[in-house]
Amino acid sequence: AQTVTQSQPEMSVQEAETVTLSCTYDTSESDYYLFWYKQPPSRQMILVIRQEAYKQQNATENRFSVNFQKAAKSFSLKISDSQLGDAAMYFCAYKGGAQKLVFGQGTRLTINP
Amino acid sequence: NAGVTQTPKFQVLKTGQSMTLQCAQDMNHEYMSWYRQDPGMGLRLIHYSVGAGITDQGEVPNGYNVSRSTTEDFPLRLLSAAPSQTSVYFCASSYELGGLSPLHFGNGTRLTVT
Repeated sequence: AQTVTQSQPEMSVQEAETVTLSCTYDTSESDYYLFWYKQPPSRQMILVIRQEAYKQQNATENRFSVNFQKAAKSFSLKISDSQLGDAAMYFCAYKGGAQKLVFGQGTRLTINP
Repeated sequence: NAGVTQTPKFQVLKTGQSMTLQCAQDMNHEYMSWYRQDPGMGLRLIHYSVGAGITDQGEVPNGYNVSRSTTEDFPLRLLSAAPSQTSVYFCASSYELGGLSPLHFGNGTRLTVT
């Protein structure tokens, strides 16, 4: 079964700085999809960004971008110009042939003003 | 557009009691699922459905039942609550099972079993 590992339970960053959240996954599949979700204190799960494994180009959504390294099975999330509203739990997730979304343990991001 | 609606938001049960967590979506999504969220473990799939009348087990199905009689509704039943079922439960739906189709989540139900 596929597993997703987020090795940083907690991260903090100064407002306006850049932070990178790590995610690695274990799979033998070649075709799959990767996601980052954000969970603010409101508990709502919000899609941040998504990536298809067969696309070489890293996905970008405004201040959020990913560094997708397929050979290393790594899918890190970079947040540029961090804002107080970025404070949340961030979850990395994998979807492969079984089509079920598998989540990592989450990283709690704190933004220091 | 309400999206995915979960009720209740909070619930306290005694061990052995039963209850149903309700989930409804108004986006005509075929795929619906239930996850539980526990500290340090992320979200784990309990049950899912790819359409009305079709359900299947996820990673942690024991102690839970589901049914899908309509496209819109996907209730989760706890037959005999146990303290190990204390968790936050999320219902989610998507247009299709595969590809980049994202999950749309409800706001969650915090369940405490004493």
